[in-house]
Amino acid sequence: DIQMTQSPSTLSASVGDRVTITCRASQTINNYLAWYQQKPGKAPKLLIYKASSLESGVPSRFSGSESGTEFTLSISGLQPDDFATYYCQQYWRYPRTFGQGTKVEIK
Amino acid sequence: DVRLLESGGGLVQPGDSLRLSCTASGFTFSRSDMSWVRQAPGKGLEWVSAISGDGRNIYYADSVRGRFTFSRDNSKNTLFLQMNSLRAEDTAVYYCAKDPGGYSDYWGQGTLVTVSS
Repeated sequence: DIQMTQSPSTLSASVGDRVTITCRASQTINNYLAWYQQKPGKAPKLLIYKASSLESGVPSRFSGSESGTEFTLSISGLQPDDFATYYCQQYWRYPRTFGQGTKVEIK
Repeated sequence: DVRLLESGGGLVQPGDSLRLSCTASGFTFSRSDMSWVRQAPGKGLEWVSAISGDGRNIYYADSVRGRFTFSRDNSKNTLFLQMNSLRAEDTAVYYCAKDPGGYSDYWGQGTLVTVSS
């Protein structure tokens, strides 16, 4: 199985900050990586697919990038609505696998 | 609008069976790959199973293979997850999701399955 290692597990930030979350795949996944946002008690919401493609309706302050097997989700100008937990997921091979999640907290 | 509505969750004892359903609307269901993802209380997301639009190709996580069966009825726009031999570690919120290209772009609100004696 492809392991997805996400870091950090928790991130404290302030409104307006730029934050970066990293996800490393245990093998090549050919950019078949998605990022999701989840708020307590709610279903996950798709933000990014194919490593850097922004899902329709998602604010442009969210962006994704990749370098080999390392993937990054960036949020530029953190907004109050962005405090949530974020997950990466590879969909190159079955079983699909998620990272452990990163909780973005208010500093 | 795309809508996914799960049902069938509840409290069961270890070893029991349960069948979850997910009713879909707002898109061409028969052409859409679909999946189940679960989340144990206070834990992260765990992919469970996926099925192709025509129902011919089905994939499972090792943790459920042989116990869970994913199926669909395209005439009723409905997914089913038959869960047998349930264990305490199957306790989770189960989400169904629409998968346009391997990732999930729409999710249901989830249904809670609790396995406890």
